[in-house]
Amino acid sequence: NAGVTQTPKFQVLKTGQSMTLQCAQDMNHEYMSWYRQDPGMGLRLIHYSVGAGITDQGEVPNGYNVSRSTTEDFPLRLLSAAPSQTSVYFCASRIGLAGNEQFFGPGTRLTVL
Amino acid sequence: EDQVTQSPEALRLQEGESSSLNCSYTVSGLRGLFWYRQDPGKGPEFLFTLYSAGEEKEKERLKATLTKKESFLHITAPKPEDSATYLCAVQVVGGYQKVTFGTGTKLQVIP
Repeated sequence: NAGVTQTPKFQVLKTGQSMTLQCAQDMNHEYMSWYRQDPGMGLRLIHYSVGAGITDQGEVPNGYNVSRSTTEDFPLRLLSAAPSQTSVYFCASRIGLAGNEQFFGPGTRLTVL
Repeated sequence: EDQVTQSPEALRLQEGESSSLNCSYTVSGLRGLFWYRQDPGKGPEFLFTLYSAGEEKEKERLKATLTKKESFLHITAPKPEDSATYLCAVQVVGGYQKVTFGTGTKLQVIP
């Protein structure tokens, strides 16, 4: 099992550009989520999905869009990048809502100039 | 609002010098408290889940304990490979989608 994979590992964008961060898992987990990690702050939930076709907002959803067409994939789209979105982004999955262990991907370091 | 506070922010230990990391929390109703380890440039790696006060879990040199207000991660005779940032997180009853993370304790173990 590859676990949770994310691409790209690094990305530099200019303000106003759009891009998609890819996330995939091969553990057949229902629940997937996106977090951002900033210095001095804990991991913050952006969006999550409880299964294919079902997504919802976390605590910091503005400027981001998600979709879940398959169990395996959960891409995160930045609609119009802003410097405030400079961060490290982590995708995570777990078996279900009440499951305890979250498996995290290796992260994408995004810089918006 | 759910809050998780970890202390200290950073800790430097000599190899073999035991210590504890603290995670204090304020939540409406605790469903679970999690500990993760994060190495530089990598995603968090799950260590433990604790569900109720008095519960303890152990893994190699690590032991996690839970009270009604805080959790401790005890590190016994640490080795340099235990150097990492340790994250604490809580999940509340009825709020399964949201896991609130602390800012972490960065541990450095010196040979």
